[in-house]
Amino acid sequence: EDQVTQSPEALRLQEGESSSLNCSYTVSGLRGLFWYRQDPGKGPEFLFTLYSAGEEKEKERLKATLTKKESFLHITAPKPEDSATYLCAVRGGGADGLTFGKGTHLIIQP
Amino acid sequence: KAGVTQTPRYLIKTRGQQVTLSCSPISGHRSVSWYQQTPGQGLQFLFEYFSETQRNKGNFPGRFSGRQFSNSRSEMNVSTLELGDSALYLCASSLGAGANVLTFGAGSRLTVL
Repeated sequence: EDQVTQSPEALRLQEGESSSLNCSYTVSGLRGLFWYRQDPGKGPEFLFTLYSAGEEKEKERLKATLTKKESFLHITAPKPEDSATYLCAVRGGGADGLTFGKGTHLIIQP
Repeated sequence: KAGVTQTPRYLIKTRGQQVTLSCSPISGHRSVSWYQQTPGQGLQFLFEYFSETQRNKGNFPGRFSGRQFSNSRSEMNVSTLELGDSALYLCASSLGAGANVLTFGAGSRLTVL
């Protein structure tokens, strides 16, 4: 059974204070690891897909990295508009949709 | 380009009733997936439809069912509602079956009293 664990559950940062969110996973035959952002009252919004260890992707202040057991979402010099819940998900070799972690609730204070 | 549209956005039901939720995917997307989101369990996969056929199903009881129409629109139905069915039900569409990039709708928030 695929499993995804995200830490920390919640994180409060000052504007400009860089940090990283962690996603640990166990999966049979990784077919992709995904990061989504979810704002209150909205559905998750796709950020990145990573497929193999060593892969990295960047978008504005966000950078996602992948190893064989975990992924990190690095946030550099965050702004208040980066406040959201960040969700990590994996798709394994089975055909059971995406398996999501419970997310990290990120608050960036001005 | 219109996004994924889910209706209704909010609804309140009582135990024992049934509910039908609707999802219109992005134009050209042929795959629709459904997820249940609760504070305790997070997002959990319900099922995926492609070309009117259920392709995958998550670990939910038979009270949860769905279907997809020829225009790719999808509905999910929950019968004999229980208090624990209170959740945000999210629909996501993608170009093909098993596609990795899902575009989610805003969800239908169901409250069971």
